[in-house]
Amino acid sequence: EAGVAQSPRYKIIEKRQSVAFWCNPISGHATLYWYQQILGQGPKLLIQFQNNGVVDDSQLPKDRFSAERLKGVDSTLKIQPAKLEDSAVYLCASSFLGGRENEQFFGPGTRLTVL
Amino acid sequence: SQQGEEDPQALSIQEGENATMNCSYKTSINNLQWYRQNSGRGLVHLILIRSNEREKHSGRLRVTLDTSKKSSSLLITASRAADTASYFCATEFYFGSGTKLNVKP
Repeated sequence: EAGVAQSPRYKIIEKRQSVAFWCNPISGHATLYWYQQILGQGPKLLIQFQNNGVVDDSQLPKDRFSAERLKGVDSTLKIQPAKLEDSAVYLCASSFLGGRENEQFFGPGTRLTVL
Repeated sequence: SQQGEEDPQALSIQEGENATMNCSYKTSINNLQWYRQNSGRGLVHLILIRSNEREKHSGRLRVTLDTSKKSSSLLITASRAADTASYFCATEFYFGSGTKLNVKP
């Protein structure tokens, strides 16, 4: 079974530029999550989708971050404009149903460096 | 915040020894989960323990949960070099900052 796919794996941009990350969850998984992991810290949930609807985006900095999951499958996370403090690994995860007891499967992440 | 916080921040042991990591959290929970993260396999779910459970085993892993103290522990027995990784506890979708385990061959 294929895992969660993410691209690109690495991205370097300058501050104030825009960047987008793509995630393809495990086939059949209804719930998709985006996390931000700053070096030396644990992952921080940014947004959770159930199919193509947002369940929780309370920790998403909406002035610069946006995410969508138009057809309930793939998802993109965008940062516009980027700041130095956005340098982090962005992890996408999916789970079959969602909810607090469903195991999340994580992708390899996209490492973003903002100069 | 519901974040779990792990202790110690770093742990270095010899292969074959046991490793114990602790997690404390702040609010009531439905369950607590432990994850492992290394460069080779990314972030992987290890075990989930529900609030009405006190202990759970999975292979060489043993997790305990004390809801009265709002704490959990992860024990890895007979550690291997391949166990070298960062270990995180998570309550709901909130992760702590992790324990970095180094198992020396």
